[in-house]
Amino acid sequence: AAGVIQSPRHLIKEKRETATLKCYPIPRHDTVYWYQQGPGQDPQFLISFYEKMQSDKGSIPDRFSAQQFSDYHSELNMSSLELGDSALYFCASSLNQGQGYSAEAFFGQGTRLTVV
Amino acid sequence: AQRVTQPEKLLSVFKGAPVELKCNYSYSGSPELFWYVQYSRQRLQLLLRHISRESIKGFTADLNKGETSFHLKKPFAQEEDSAMYYCALKVFSGGYNKLIFGAGTRLAVHP
Repeated sequence: AAGVIQSPRHLIKEKRETATLKCYPIPRHDTVYWYQQGPGQDPQFLISFYEKMQSDKGSIPDRFSAQQFSDYHSELNMSSLELGDSALYFCASSLNQGQGYSAEAFFGQGTRLTVV
Repeated sequence: AQRVTQPEKLLSVFKGAPVELKCNYSYSGSPELFWYVQYSRQRLQLLLRHISRESIKGFTADLNKGETSFHLKKPFAQEEDSAMYYCALKVFSGGYNKLIFGAGTRLAVHP
């Protein structure tokens, strides 16, 4: 079965550069979530999109932006990169069925970003 | 406040020993809880969810609303169970769902 695809798998950038991470959700899933997992840390929610509109926002820095496109894939754009941005960035997708329904989130393998 | 607490950062046991990974939550709505597992260098994978009341790889978890807990249990740990385990709470706000994760517990099963 198709899973959540993230690209690239690994990315090395220098400080102050920009990076774009891509996420391709499971077909027919309408919701995409982005999480940041620092070394030894739990996944922290960044932002989510439902039907191409931002649905929720977590601890995402102003230097980051994201969007969901018409084909439901999502991109996380990161500018003015800092050393502390080095982390594993997970994307997850689900089918939003509203309250009372178990909408399981399926995760991609993540993009490991290293800022040097 | 919406919060998931996993009090143990590391749980170290011998193969064949029982395992209990603790999870407590705080949520004013009707909770929906999950356990995710992350093996070394792999993606987060759903292990089980309280709604389906299933047992996966010998693991079970029961939602206790009185104690606001969703502890993960396995009667006999195996070495391949060594991984990071995250308890997650699905919250519904503003018409949308999101998952809130606990800090995770690293389970180390020794031969």
